[in-house]
Amino acid sequence: EAGVAQSPRYKIIEKRQSVAFWCNPISGHATLYWYQQILGQGPKLLIQFQNNGVVDDSQLPKDRFSAERLKGVDSTLKIQPAKLEDSAVYLCASSPTGPLGGSGNEQFFGPGTRLTVL
Amino acid sequence: QKEVEQNSGPLSVPEGAIASLNCTYSDRGSQSFFWYRQYSGKSPELIMSIYSNGDKEDGRFTAQLNKASQYVSLLIRDSQPSDSATYLCAVRAISGGYNKLIFGAGTRLAVHP
Repeated sequence: EAGVAQSPRYKIIEKRQSVAFWCNPISGHATLYWYQQILGQGPKLLIQFQNNGVVDDSQLPKDRFSAERLKGVDSTLKIQPAKLEDSAVYLCASSPTGPLGGSGNEQFFGPGTRLTVL
Repeated sequence: QKEVEQNSGPLSVPEGAIASLNCTYSDRGSQSFFWYRQYSGKSPELIMSIYSNGDKEDGRFTAQLNKASQYVSLLIRDSQPSDSATYLCAVRAISGGYNKLIFGAGTRLAVHP
């Protein structure tokens, strides 16, 4: 079974530029998550999709961040314009159960995209 | 804001010793708890989950949960240098009717030969 795929793996941009990240979850996984992990911190949930609908975007800075999950499969996360404090690893994860389901609700993480904003 | 607290470390233990990692959480209603291991430059991987008070063992790993004290721990027996990583504690929270995971900042473990 293929894992969660993300691209690019690394990205360096200057502040005020825009950037987009792509995620392909494990086939059949209903729930997709985008996390931001700043160095020395744990992952922070930015947005959670159930199929192609958003169920939680309470910590997404909506003035600059946007995300979509067309057709309930792939997802893109965009930052426009980027700030220095957006430098972080952006992790995508997927889960086979719905957000309410399963005592396990294990999340499988992709390799992440390391963003550096100069 | 529901929180998960961990000592950032580093926790340094000799090879073969028991490493004890601790985590406290603020939401008394939490029911599901997870330990993830994250090697430097890699993504988190799930190593243990626990839902009931008491101990749960899986190989060299034992998770311990005390809901009354809002405390969850991970013991690693016979620690190996390959166990050197950051260990993230995660707690499932309910927000807006949906589950999400709240992660602690992680404890860095260093196992020295």
